[in-house]
Amino acid sequence: AQKVTQAQTEISVVEKEDVTLDCVYETRDTTYYLFWYKQPPSGELVFLIRRNSFDEQNEISGRYSWNFQKSTSSFNFTITASQVVDSAVYFCALSEGEGGADGLTFGKGTHLIIQP
Amino acid sequence: KAGVTQTPRYLIKTRGQQVTLSCSPISGHRSVSWYQQTPGQGLQFLFEYFSETQRNKGNFPGRFSGRQFSNSRSEMNVSTLELGDSALYLCASSVPASSYNEQFFGPGTRLTVL
Repeated sequence: AQKVTQAQTEISVVEKEDVTLDCVYETRDTTYYLFWYKQPPSGELVFLIRRNSFDEQNEISGRYSWNFQKSTSSFNFTITASQVVDSAVYFCALSEGEGGADGLTFGKGTHLIIQP
Repeated sequence: KAGVTQTPRYLIKTRGQQVTLSCSPISGHRSVSWYQQTPGQGLQFLFEYFSETQRNKGNFPGRFSGRQFSNSRSEMNVSTLELGDSALYLCASSVPASSYNEQFFGPGTRLTVL
């Protein structure tokens, strides 16, 4: 069965520091999808990125970057020059197969606190 | 384009009652998934509907059920409520295709069971 582990329950940094959120996954499928979502206090999950198992290219989007390494089953998320608005709970998620029917398996989330 | 909407946003019920939650997906999205979020168990997949058919279900008791209508709107029902059903219920919609598309989540319905 699939599993997602986010070992960091809570991280607190001072604004402008860089911070990396770790995600380790387990799956037996060769085709799978990895996601990061942000959940601000309002509760709504905001999609950040999707990566499929055949695409190991790292991605950068503004201050956000993602490092996908199949060899270590990790999909880590880095925020550069963090801002107070980045404070939220961040979830890593996994979906096996295609078509979206299987649902997402989420990690427990990392509560990120950016202090001014 | 309007996002995923969920009604009601907040709900208070007592043990033994039943509840129905509603989700309207983004226009053009035909897949709707439901998730339960609790402090203890985190985010857990409940079920997924596509073209009015339930394609998959998570590990939840039969008290949790759902359906999808021809306009892709979905409802989930919880019967004989228990205290442990208190949670944030999130609905997500997506456009199923040959490759996985990201799910867009609604604001959730916060259910409190007293």
